[in-house]
Amino acid sequence: SAVISQKPSRDICQRGTSLTIQCQVDSQVTMMFWYRQQPGQSLTLIATANQGSEATYESGFVIDKFPISRPNLTFSTLTVSNMSPEDSSIYLCSVESLPGAGTEAFFGQGTRLTVV
Amino acid sequence: AQSVTQLDSQVPVFEEAPVELRCNYSSSVSVYLFWYVQYPNQGLQLLLKYLSGSTLVKGINGFEAEFNKSQTSFHLRKPSVHISDTAEYFCAVSGAGSYQLTFGKGTKLSVIP
Repeated sequence: SAVISQKPSRDICQRGTSLTIQCQVDSQVTMMFWYRQQPGQSLTLIATANQGSEATYESGFVIDKFPISRPNLTFSTLTVSNMSPEDSSIYLCSVESLPGAGTEAFFGQGTRLTVV
Repeated sequence: AQSVTQLDSQVPVFEEAPVELRCNYSSSVSVYLFWYVQYPNQGLQLLLKYLSGSTLVKGINGFEAEFNKSQTSFHLRKPSVHISDTAEYFCAVSGAGSYQLTFGKGTKLSVIP
């Protein structure tokens, strides 16, 4: 299993500012994933972060808005830039227990972001 | 591409009663299927998964699910719920050979004492 520490757990931010969310894993993992969970909606994958390469973004998400860092195999950050109230969501970090399809995904407890 | 439909956004049920949470999916390729649970203010936790083999899958906390390929369904069941089962449940699918999960919108299960 993998234990994921995500912080902050929640924050209230002013529009136009940026927030960086940190994700720390207790073991080395190849792929880390960032999801957004909007109120009443399903989890949506923002991007996949591999160590040593640029993150791969899903349709509708761009690097300028959601820059991601992956400096090593146990850590990643997601920044929500130039925030607006529409960015109010829960942001979740996720890893897989073993590389490959069909393996269990582990999630952090999430960061509940409110933009005012 | 895959999609997941969870037919019920909220399901209230009395304690010790049975429950079924419905999930239908669509995909043009073979799939892996998952159920995750999210307790308040926590991340998602895997309940069970179907990769291949027996279509009846047993998971943690007494939950089970049955994969029905002809009906493209993967409904979650528990014969007797407990107060502690109150949570939100997410059905998810990935294409065989793909790491990417597609989630349904979730079903909030409320167990009434």
